Amino acid sequence: EIVLTQSPATLSLSPGERATLSCRASQSVSSYLAWYQQKPGQAPRLLIYDASNRDTGIPARFSGSGSGTDFTLTISSLEPEDFAVYYCQQRSNWPITFGPGTKVDF
Amino acid sequence: EGQLLESGGGLVQPGESLRLSCAASGFTFSSYAMSWVRQAPGKGLEWVSAISISGTTTYYADSVKGRFTISRDNSENTLYLHMNSLRAEDTAVYYCAKNQGGPPRFHYWGQGTLVTASS
Repeated sequence: EIVLTQSPATLSLSPGERATLSCRASQSVSSYLAWYQQKPGQAPRLLIYDASNRDTGIPARFSGSGSGTDFTLTISSLEPEDFAVYYCQQRSNWPITFGPGTKVDF
Repeated sequence: EGQLLESGGGLVQPGESLRLSCAASGFTFSSYAMSWVRQAPGKGLEWVSAISISGTTTYYADSVKGRFTISRDNSENTLYLHMNSLRAEDTAVYYCAKNQGGPPRFHYWGQGTLVTASS
């Protein structure tokens, strides 16, 4: 099973600031990594797929990069609605696994 | 995107069974593989099971293998999760999700249904 590690666990920032979230895989997942956003009481929402592709309707301030074992989600300038938990997920191998999440808060 | 509506959650005693349903609308259900993903209270996401378009191929997390069965009825646009021998650690919100790719990413999610296994 591929283990995903996310850092930091919590990121305390203010609106307008840049957020940089990290996801590291225990073995190469090539580019088969996705990022999701989850707000309290809501289902997750797909932001980025295959490491760097924004899903339909996702604002350009969200970007993803990386390949192999090291990946980054960047939010260029935080909007109030961006404060949430972010999860990475690999689809290189079964079983599908998620990282433990990074909470972005004030 | 369409809509995914889960139902069937509730409170059960450990050892009991439950069947979850996920009704799909607004898209061609029979053209998409589907999955169940769960989230224990206050915890992260855990993939549970996936099923192919035709229903002939299924995948399970080790934590549920042999106890849970995923199935689908393409004529009724419905996904199911049959859960047997429920344990306290199965307590979670269960989401159904529309797959993209294989192994999949989860393009669209339902709002979830809560399963609580407790005495």
